[in-house]
Amino acid sequence: AQSVTQLGSHVSVSEGALVLLRCNYSSSVPPYLFWYVQYPNQGLQLLLKYTSAATLVKGINGFEAEFKKSETSFHLTKPSAHMSDAAEYFCAVLAGGGNKLTFGTGTQLKVEL
Amino acid sequence: NAGVTQTPKFRILKIGQSMTLQCTQDMNHNYMYWYRQDPGMGLKLIYYSVGAGITDKGEVPNGYNVSRSTTEDFPLRLELAAPSQTSVYFCASSYSGPLGETQYFGPGTRLLVL
Repeated sequence: AQSVTQLGSHVSVSEGALVLLRCNYSSSVPPYLFWYVQYPNQGLQLLLKYTSAATLVKGINGFEAEFKKSETSFHLTKPSAHMSDAAEYFCAVLAGGGNKLTFGTGTQLKVEL
Repeated sequence: NAGVTQTPKFRILKIGQSMTLQCTQDMNHNYMYWYRQDPGMGLKLIYYSVGAGITDKGEVPNGYNVSRSTTEDFPLRLELAAPSQTSVYFCASSYSGPLGETQYFGPGTRLLVL
């Protein structure tokens, strides 16, 4: 079965600092991987996704993620954090027919002045 | 387009009561999903549907029922509410295209069972 593990339930960075949110996957087939963001009291929205094309994926709001098969990782990065990036971030993997997803437990990003 | 809409936004239920959470999408998506979100647990799939008249169980279906009579609507029914069903419920939909299509989420329904 496909699964993802997010390391670190809470991450705190200073404004302007690098953001690195970690996600490792387990999959018996080539994975399709996603990062979603959830702002307070809202639903989730897609940041970016990997669907077996380029291994470096660029998303919205300056985020990007690199698929590394050798490390079974799909970490999310942003060179310079902004206060508006404070949110919860979820990594997810395609989990079978019907485009079902299995989500990680989430990482809460806090951005400090 | 309104996207995915959910009603109500918030509801308090007593143990043993029942209710229906409504979900509607106007994007003509064939696939629809219900998730629950609990603190520190991520999102868990309750039920999903790949088209009108077709539904299937997800990871945590016990205590819930769904129906899909139209492409637009995918209501979630709670029978005999229990405190363990206190959660935030999200409905989502996606295009039935190639693998990896984006899921679009509604704003959520916050449910408290006392």
